Amino acid sequence: GAGVSQSPSNKVTEKGKDVELRCDPISGHTALYWYRQSLGQGLEFLIYFQGNSAPDKSGLPSDRFSAERTGGSVSTLTIQRTQQEDSAVYLCASSLNKNTEAFFGQGTRLTVV
Amino acid sequence: GQQLNQSPQSMFIQEGEDVSMNCTSSSIFNTWLWYKQDPGEGPVLLIALYKAGELTSNGRLTAQFGITRKDSFLNISASIPSDVGIYFCAGQLYLEYGNKLVFGAGTILRVKS
Repeated sequence: GAGVSQSPSNKVTEKGKDVELRCDPISGHTALYWYRQSLGQGLEFLIYFQGNSAPDKSGLPSDRFSAERTGGSVSTLTIQRTQQEDSAVYLCASSLNKNTEAFFGQGTRLTVV
Repeated sequence: GQQLNQSPQSMFIQEGEDVSMNCTSSSIFNTWLWYKQDPGEGPVLLIALYKAGELTSNGRLTAQFGITRKDSFLNISASIPSDVGIYFCAGQLYLEYGNKLVFGAGTILRVKS
C-alpha cells in the first residue's frame, strides 16, 4: 500500500487476555519501529527491526510484550495477559533503510477493561 | 540514554502569529525530524534535516539543524487554525546495527479564543 497500515484500528480486550497488533510497512521499507503513546503523552519506543531481526528490543516494558517480523515485511506485536496499564495507542513506523526518515501508521488504540 | 528536551510544552496561537518551538539534547544526532500529530492520527512527517547547520523550509514551516548537532528549531509563520495539533521533534542516531529514533515530549498548539 501507499502508507503504513495498522490493524485493528481499535481493540477492546479483557484484562488477562492476549492481543496481537499488526503492522504492514510501506513496501520495500527495511526498517520498522513500534512505539506506544499513552493518553496525552509522547512516544515511548518499544522495539526496532532491521529486516527480520530486532537488534533493539530495549523498550519492551516487560516479558509480556513480544514482536516478530516475517519476510522483512509484516510485523506483529503481541501482548500477553494484558493489564489495564497496557491501554494506549500503539504506533508503527517504517523507513526505507536504516538511515532515512520514518513514516507512521495511524495506530491501534488498545483499551484493556 | 539519549533524551530530547522539547519546549514549550504547550502554547496558544492566534491566527496570523508566528510560532517557534525547539528541541535540545546533550547527545549528538545524525538527523533531526519534525512531526505533527492530529487527534486520532499517527504523526505525520513535516521536515527532515540531515546536515548540521541546514535550514529547510516546507511552505510556512522552517526548521534548522543546529550546528552542534544537539538541537533543532521549528518555526511556523502566519499560523492558521489547522496548525493546531501536537508537534514532535525526533533525533535519529545511526548505529552499527541500524537506527535509534528518539522523540521529544511534544509541543501542543492550541487556538487562542
